[in-house]
Amino acid sequence: AQSVTQLGSHVSVSEGALVLLRCNYSSSVPPYLFWYVQYPNQGLQLLLKYTSAATLVKGINGFEAEFKKSETSFHLTKPSAHMSDAAEYFCAVSPNNNDMRFGAGTRLTVKP
Amino acid sequence: DSGVTQTPKHLITATGQRVTLRCSPRSGDLSVYWYQQSLDQGLQFLIQYYNGEERAKGNILERFSAQQFPDLHSELNLSSLELGDSALYFCASSVTPGAEAFFGQGTRLTVV
Repeated sequence: AQSVTQLGSHVSVSEGALVLLRCNYSSSVPPYLFWYVQYPNQGLQLLLKYTSAATLVKGINGFEAEFKKSETSFHLTKPSAHMSDAAEYFCAVSPNNNDMRFGAGTRLTVKP
Repeated sequence: DSGVTQTPKHLITATGQRVTLRCSPRSGDLSVYWYQQSLDQGLQFLIQYYNGEERAKGNILERFSAQQFPDLHSELNLSSLELGDSALYFCASSVTPGAEAFFGQGTRLTVV
């Protein structure tokens, strides 16, 4: 089955530090990949998406992700964390342009 | 505002009861997804519809059912409710299956 695995259910960084959230996917066909963010008591909001164009994808709020086929990864990064980045982040895969499956999520904490 | 509307926002009901959750997708979106989010299970895909037809099924219990109407709104019916059904239920919509999905604010269901 097509799926994503997010490594680390909790990540804590200091304000200004690099953010790295890891996502690995399993798919027998080139998938569409997404990162979503969920702030407390809100729905999920799309950060960025990979749809087989450029392998480095830039999203909103300074986030970007790189698709690496050889590593089956789609890690999310941001050079400098802000307090407002504290949220839960979900990686998702849409194999065969069909349904969308989400990882377990990574809760990001930003320390002042 | 994602453009996806879910009603009601909160619902408290007793075990054994039946409830209906409603979702209006973004204008122009033909695909609707339903997800259940709970602390212990994370974000679970339930079911997807595209233009009125069931497209994909996930971890949806037999006590749950859904449909998408000709005007493209969707309803999720939950029956014989159990305490463990307490969760946030999200609806999302996309133009086509597998495209970026836009999420509603969710319905928080509490079964007492």
